[in-house]
Amino acid sequence: RKEVEQDPGPFNVPEGATVAFNCTYSNSASQSFFWYRQDCRKEPKLLMSVYSSGNEDGRFTAQLNRASQYISLLIRDSKLSDSATYLCVVSPSGNTPLVFGKGTRLSVIA
Amino acid sequence: ETGVTQTPRHLVMGMTNKKSLKCEQHLGHNAMYWYKQSAKKPLELMFVYSLEERVENNSVPSRFSPECPNSSHLFLHLHTLQPEDSALYLCASSQRTSGTYNEQFFGPGTRLTVL
Repeated sequence: RKEVEQDPGPFNVPEGATVAFNCTYSNSASQSFFWYRQDCRKEPKLLMSVYSSGNEDGRFTAQLNRASQYISLLIRDSKLSDSATYLCVVSPSGNTPLVFGKGTRLSVIA
Repeated sequence: ETGVTQTPRHLVMGMTNKKSLKCEQHLGHNAMYWYKQSAKKPLELMFVYSLEERVENNSVPSRFSPECPNSSHLFLHLHTLQPEDSALYLCASSQRTSGTYNEQFFGPGTRLTVL
């Protein structure tokens, strides 16, 4: 099982739709979890950290399920500007650098 | 916009050239990273410098040589590269606290083309 796995997509959704991405991780001792966004030919940028209690930032909601070892990202009311690749990122253990998933590509269509 | 800068932004080099990529972070972080991202491929961690120690991906060829003179600066020295080394090279920094790697912040990258 790969350390971090994501559905590569692409997810093609109309404006205003709600879309959800899941990501699974293999190391049950993983401590930190993040979602990054990467636009085409640009660098990845931190979208949000994922906390055990779940967290929300505007239209974006991130959740962590430690028992099943997955994290999710929910985007409500999708905008054209949400089109990007979304990277799931996990810190396997304290002394190991972050592991990036391969990303899920989202295209929001007018 | 970001606290991590990279130069040059674009580089075209021949296979016999020697060049260096430079990264500087202004965030007061104590860890810096080099990543390679080829077209339509995931990020590949090449090197990590953290708390004066270096961690490297053993699959990175010796034609890539990192240098970290201090906690704010990171270089990637390139020599006798191959066309398949053409990619986006990203630098990142983060703060390690109590040994834990926290979220990373990336520079804009150097887009390298090897002819």
